[in-house]
Amino acid sequence: EDQVTQSPEALRLQEGESSSLNCSYTVSGLRGLFWYRQDPGKGPEFLFTLYSAGEEKEKERLKATLTKKESFLHITAPKPEDSATYLCAVYSGGYQKVTFGIGTKLQVIP
Amino acid sequence: NAGVTQTPKFRVLKTGQSMTLLCAQDMNHEYMYWYRQDPGMGLRLIHYSVGEGTTAKGEVPDGYNVSRLKKQNFLLGLESAAPSQTSVYFCASSPTGQRGEQYFGPGTRLTVT
Repeated sequence: EDQVTQSPEALRLQEGESSSLNCSYTVSGLRGLFWYRQDPGKGPEFLFTLYSAGEEKEKERLKATLTKKESFLHITAPKPEDSATYLCAVYSGGYQKVTFGIGTKLQVIP
Repeated sequence: NAGVTQTPKFRVLKTGQSMTLLCAQDMNHEYMYWYRQDPGMGLRLIHYSVGEGTTAKGEVPDGYNVSRLKKQNFLLGLESAAPSQTSVYFCASSPTGQRGEQYFGPGTRLTVT
């Protein structure tokens, strides 16, 4: 059974203080790893898809990387508007099922 | 484009009542999904559809039924609501299925008393 563990559960940063969120996974064969952002009271918003170890994707202050066991979401010089819960999910093929992690709640203080 | 919309946004039911949640998408996506999100748990797939007229069970299908009569709409039904179905329900659509990105609706918060 696929498993996704995200850490830390919550992270509080000062504006401009760079950090990373971790997503470790156990799957029988990774076909895709996804990062989503979820604001309170809203649905998840797609950020990145990573398909193979060594792959990197960037969007504004966010950079996602992937190894064979985990993915990192690096946040460079975060701003208060980056505050949200960040969800990681994996797809290992088979029927239509993506396994989601519980998420990391990020708070960026001005 | 409105993207993915869900109605209603909030609903309170009594145990044993029934209701239908409506999801609509205007992106012409083939794949549509219903998830539930509970505190301390990741999103869990209830049912999904790979095209108009098709439906299939996901991870937690018991107590729910779905229909996809039109490509743009995906309905989730609760025939006899139970307190364990208190949750936030999200609909999503995708052009490529679970191997690609999904576009989520704003959610429906359901409370069963």
